[in-house]
Amino acid sequence: KNEVEQSPQNLTAQEGEFITINCSYSVGISALHWLQQHPGGGIVSLFMLSSGKKKHGRLIATINIQEKHSSLHITASHPRDSAVYICAVSNTDKLIFGTGTRLQVFP
Amino acid sequence: EPEVTQTPSHQVTQMGQEVILRCVPISNHLYFYWYRQILGQKVEFLVSFYNNEISEKSEIFDDQFSVERPDGSNFTLKIRSTKLEDSAMYFCATPSGGATDTQYFGPGTRLTVL
Repeated sequence: KNEVEQSPQNLTAQEGEFITINCSYSVGISALHWLQQHPGGGIVSLFMLSSGKKKHGRLIATINIQEKHSSLHITASHPRDSAVYICAVSNTDKLIFGTGTRLQVFP
Repeated sequence: EPEVTQTPSHQVTQMGQEVILRCVPISNHLYFYWYRQILGQKVEFLVSFYNNEISEKSEIFDDQFSVERPDGSNFTLKIRSTKLEDSAMYFCATPSGGATDTQYFGPGTRLTVL
């Protein structure tokens, strides 16, 4: 069983829709990261959080430590949001990655 | 924004050959990580490096792999005798404060072993 599970694996949306991607983990963590991987392969950090909620532009990330669950929300989705979104947790001195959620937003 | 660079962007090699992948981390960062991503699979941790020594390594990081910081700026990953299954994208990352800090990833090196 994966230590970090994401759902859904694939997601398609129409431009303007509200998107939610979920992440559950089964190990102890010191922080949780949301990352974005572009089609060319590059990985960009979106959020790092250890409690509560963070917002950056149209992106919102929340974490519930007791339930070992995090969500990434995208409001007013746009075709440029199309990418793979990866949840990763900090465990000791390393990151453990989820399998990613492939998001496609159509105009 | 500061960035991590990696060279080469793509390396093709024959099975059994040695390869060295290079990373130039953000200058004042002290933590260095190598990750790999086999095509179609999730990103996997290989090794973390702090204060000029390995702080943690995964089961993947066997005796064929080594890391070093040869000149105080570059951070290298060496694979001594490549295997077909080493074909993957290799990412360097340099957070400012370890695994609990914002991760800055390099663009990756695509390694193809023939």
